[in-house]
Amino acid sequence: SYELTQPPSVSVSPGQTASITCSGDKLGDKYACWYQQKPGQSPVLVIYQDTKRPSGIPERFSGSNSGNTATLTISGTQAMDEADYFCQAWDSSTVVFGGGTKLTVL
Amino acid sequence: EVQLVESGGGLVQPGGSLRLSCAASGFTFSTYWMTWVRQAPGKGLEWVANIKQDGSEKYYVDSVKGRFTISRDNAKNSLYLQMNSLRAEDTAVYYCATDWGYCSGGSCYGWFDPWGQGTLVTVSS
Repeated sequence: SYELTQPPSVSVSPGQTASITCSGDKLGDKYACWYQQKPGQSPVLVIYQDTKRPSGIPERFSGSNSGNTATLTISGTQAMDEADYFCQAWDSSTVVFGGGTKLTVL
Repeated sequence: EVQLVESGGGLVQPGGSLRLSCAASGFTFSTYWMTWVRQAPGKGLEWVANIKQDGSEKYYVDSVKGRFTISRDNAKNSLYLQMNSLRAEDTAVYYCATDWGYCSGGSCYGWFDPWGQGTLVTVSS
């Protein structure tokens, strides 16, 4: 079965750039999306179709996808961005989520 | 405002049944695929099932096939998940979400947005 692999944790200082990766076989041939989940809350879509931001998502969130890796980039990271982030893609007709990355802003 | 509100969760014994509901408002429910995603305590997200706009197509993750049934009532703007033969490993928060999936050229794509607040299902004796 298809798997998406994310680092369990990423740390970043406030104001710096955070990059969270999601790896899967030929992931660049698929569309990736990203969700943010804060403690006790539901997931929120922050990136879809590799690079697109839903309305209401700050411009500091961006995405890319090439080869075997999709990347979520948060520029000028703020304390409010501390959360779990999950990537997601489809393999054939099955939805696959990455295991999630805890982003710590310190 | 687009809103999805789940209900029906609770404590159930192994082998028991539960029916989850998701009430949709603020958008034209009948024109969207809908999906259920679950999250075990402290764990990641797992897609469970989805259903086409008119209910004619339904897909499930292998671990729930034959036990769970997804359905919808467009007249009531509601999505359901009937869960039978529940197991301890089904314990999770269950979220409904609007499914923007589509298939083209033999491949499928898509994302889920928005999500409901979730309802907790606990399977334990």
